[in-house]
Amino acid sequence: DQQVKQNSPSLSVQEGRISILNCDYTNSMFDYFLWYKKYPAEGPTFLISISSIKDKNEDGRFTVFLNKSAKHLSLHIVPSQPGDSAVYFCAARGSARQLTFGSGTQLTVLP
Amino acid sequence: DAMVIQNPRYQVTQFGKPVTLSCSQTLNHNVMYWYQQKSSQAPKLLFHYYDKDFNNEADTPDNFQSRRPNTSFCFLDIRSPGLGDAAMYLCATNEGRNSYNEQFFGPGTRLTVL
Repeated sequence: DQQVKQNSPSLSVQEGRISILNCDYTNSMFDYFLWYKKYPAEGPTFLISISSIKDKNEDGRFTVFLNKSAKHLSLHIVPSQPGDSAVYFCAARGSARQLTFGSGTQLTVLP
Repeated sequence: DAMVIQNPRYQVTQFGKPVTLSCSQTLNHNVMYWYQQKSSQAPKLLFHYYDKDFNNEADTPDNFQSRRPNTSFCFLDIRSPGLGDAAMYLCATNEGRNSYNEQFFGPGTRLTVL
């Protein structure tokens, strides 16, 4: 039973446009959400996070939105750059110190 | 640079032959995790250590064991690898004191079982 779902395995976006990556979750006990980026042959690296008491967090070109009523979060990248091409994982924190990950979305930013 | 290191990056073993994967960290973090990730799937937590306290996930097979001899090192032992154990194995750390802190990942070890 997947508690964190990323329903789009892949997304292609033109350079300079907005990339929107989506994530849905089922467990209302999740209280903290994170996005990770993964390049080939590297481990996932932390990108941005949001607490469940907020609905938006912004860091430069990256903004994460949280809709608790819909159990949905999204990552916006504006403007998208070719170097943003990677697999993006969303993750949710339930019990202390443990994260549940989605299956990832491969983002390709076309020059 | 402080980091999480995994050795080897690629490991080939034979069906049923025990194998050990290694993880070390220079972050001095209290918590170390092992994840299994199969192609196009989410990383799946196998177990974690908070200092010396071992926490096993309920659905982690008995075939998988772990050791943490000191703060810096953590090992994943697969006692009798099967073909279904071929995967990427990711090690991660977390400071632990503030559980909101993100996890820091190593580059992973890709295990092939022949």
